[in-house]
Amino acid sequence: DTGVSQNPRHKITKRGQNVTFRCDPISEHNRLYWYRQTLGQGPEFLTYFQNEAQLEKSRLLSDRFSAERPKGSFSTLEIQRTEQGDSAMYLCASSLSGGNEQFFGPGTRLTVL
Amino acid sequence: QQQVKQSPQSLIVQKGGIPIINCAYENTAFDYFPWYQQFPGKGPALLIAIRPDVSEKKEGRFTISFNKSAKQFSLHIMDSQPGDSATYFCAASRTAGNMLTFGGGTRLMVKP
Repeated sequence: DTGVSQNPRHKITKRGQNVTFRCDPISEHNRLYWYRQTLGQGPEFLTYFQNEAQLEKSRLLSDRFSAERPKGSFSTLEIQRTEQGDSAMYLCASSLSGGNEQFFGPGTRLTVL
Repeated sequence: QQQVKQSPQSLIVQKGGIPIINCAYENTAFDYFPWYQQFPGKGPALLIAIRPDVSEKKEGRFTISFNKSAKQFSLHIMDSQPGDSATYFCAASRTAGNMLTFGGGTRLMVKP
């Protein structure tokens, strides 16, 4: 499968714990995006990378959130001190720079108890 | 403003009907308008997209109509099938940066 992959697919954690998600983009894509989707809503942009550089962050991305893409390939999204309001589907997408089409992964569903 | 407003929130049609989903945007810097289809438990999948230099684009049973002056665009699904039952999202972005701003979604049910 050459699509965007995300792991884990589901994560249940207790409030206050730290969680980390991983995204592997389509291999030749140099742009990688993170979005968050709550139930019944459209995805909301969080941040994006061009290769290893993080170029933009949404105001939705609080200080508890950090994203990395150390070698310009896979990316991780970490949430520290999780809160119940962090419960959502976290989606990763990738694209070619200069192209608009974004291809989404299946998402990681986070439940914070 | 970065908002994209989508309507209706839900839609029920009979098989063979033509559901129409509408979106309106405010930011005139947007120059790319895709539609995504999402099934439960899956990520959004790109259906069709349009740029503001054309007023209509058709791919298979899916058609986008675009009205630049009104800042509105819509998705038509011809000869709808039960397998089209899903949530549809419109979105918009600027070429620079490319982050997508999504509408709130329309849950479509096509009855057999």
